[in-house]
Amino acid sequence: KNEVEQSPQNLTAQEGEFITINCSYSVGISALHWLQQHPGGGIVSLFMLSSGKKKHGRLIATINIQEKHSSLHITASHPRDSAVYICAVRSPGSEKLVFGKGTKLTVNP
Amino acid sequence: DAGVIQSPRHEVTEMGQEVTLRCKPISGHNSLFWYRQTMMRGLELLIYFNNNVPIDDSGMPEDRFSAKMPNASFSTLKIQPSEPRDSAVYFCASSWPYSGHNEQFFGPGTRLTVL
Repeated sequence: KNEVEQSPQNLTAQEGEFITINCSYSVGISALHWLQQHPGGGIVSLFMLSSGKKKHGRLIATINIQEKHSSLHITASHPRDSAVYICAVRSPGSEKLVFGKGTKLTVNP
Repeated sequence: DAGVIQSPRHEVTEMGQEVTLRCKPISGHNSLFWYRQTMMRGLELLIYFNNNVPIDDSGMPEDRFSAKMPNASFSTLKIQPSEPRDSAVYFCASSWPYSGHNEQFFGPGTRLTVL
């Protein structure tokens, strides 16, 4: 079993829909990261969370440490949000990241 | 700043050849990471350095892989001899761990194809 599990693996939505991507992990962590990988391959860090909730524009990330679960929400989705979203966890006392397999999001106009 | 710089962007080589991938981290960042991404396994950490010192190399697949960071502005990942199963995209990332955010900034990647 992978340490970091994401669901769904693939997600197709219509423009304007509310999107939720889930991440569950099985190990103790010091932080959880959400990354976005564009169709061209570039990787961008979206959020780093250790508790609670963060918001940036139309993106919202939440984490529940007790349940070892995080969600990434996209409000009013747009075709330019089409990308692979990757969850990664950082071990306490380390900078090492362990990654989920990613969720491929396609937003159709 | 130009961001993390990797070279080459694409490399095609034949099995058995030596391959060297290069990375220049963002100036001032003192942690550097090498990752490999494949369809089957996703993103995996190979090795990371802090202040030019290797801290965790547990992800390095085998002795054919080696990484160096001779100074704060340059790192190499070498594969010798290369094998077809090494075909992947190799990313370098850097971070400044004392900001409280530990955000990692990724380079554009090197797509390696071993024939």
